[in-house]
Amino acid sequence: AQSVTQLDSQVPVFEEAPVELRCNYSSSVSVYLFWYVQYPNQGLQLLLKYLSGSTLVKGINGFEAEFNKSQTSFHLRKPSVHISDTAEYFCAVSEGAGGTSYGKLTFGQGTILTVHP
Amino acid sequence: NAGVTQTPKFRVLKTGQSMTLLCAQDMNHEYMYWYRQDPGMGLRLIHYSVGEGTTAKGEVPDGYNVSRLKKQNFLLGLESAAPSQTSVYFCASRRTGSPERIGNTIYFGEGSWLTVV
Repeated sequence: AQSVTQLDSQVPVFEEAPVELRCNYSSSVSVYLFWYVQYPNQGLQLLLKYLSGSTLVKGINGFEAEFNKSQTSFHLRKPSVHISDTAEYFCAVSEGAGGTSYGKLTFGQGTILTVHP
Repeated sequence: NAGVTQTPKFRVLKTGQSMTLLCAQDMNHEYMYWYRQDPGMGLRLIHYSVGEGTTAKGEVPDGYNVSRLKKQNFLLGLESAAPSQTSVYFCASRRTGSPERIGNTIYFGEGSWLTVV
């Protein structure tokens, strides 16, 4: 079984500042990792994913994340945020290659990013 | 090009009433999932299905039943609604096989907001 911990429930930042949203996971097997964004009263949108290969993953809207296997982390970063990035962000994990978990996702608790002018 | 469609989108129930949420996907996906989203808890898996006629329990199955009589539909039932089931419910689907295959990603519906009073 896997678990995900998002270390910050809320992150306030000013516009054009950099931001990092932290995510740690626990798993006894290899994993796939995902970041989703949810704008107010909307569904989930995939930001980026790590499946294999390069540990630095680039996603939509200027976001990127780095998979660190030794620290079991998958932190999300953006060098300069906009007001429109205000949303809730979810880190998620599923069992990796060869797994038998049928693609089930385990989500973190979510981090609310608020970008102030 | 509907993807994953959930009905209804909003519903208010009285304690003890029953209802069914319908999830329909038009992508011929084998796997389907029901999640609930609660503040500070992320999304948690209620039930899932790996094919027509199959269902399995997820992390929080109590108080819910599901059925997958047709491949394209996955129904979530509340037999006797309780205030603790007030939540946002998300349905999702994906193909079998590794997510490393092109296009083999999980698709989410737009959510169903349920309030039990």
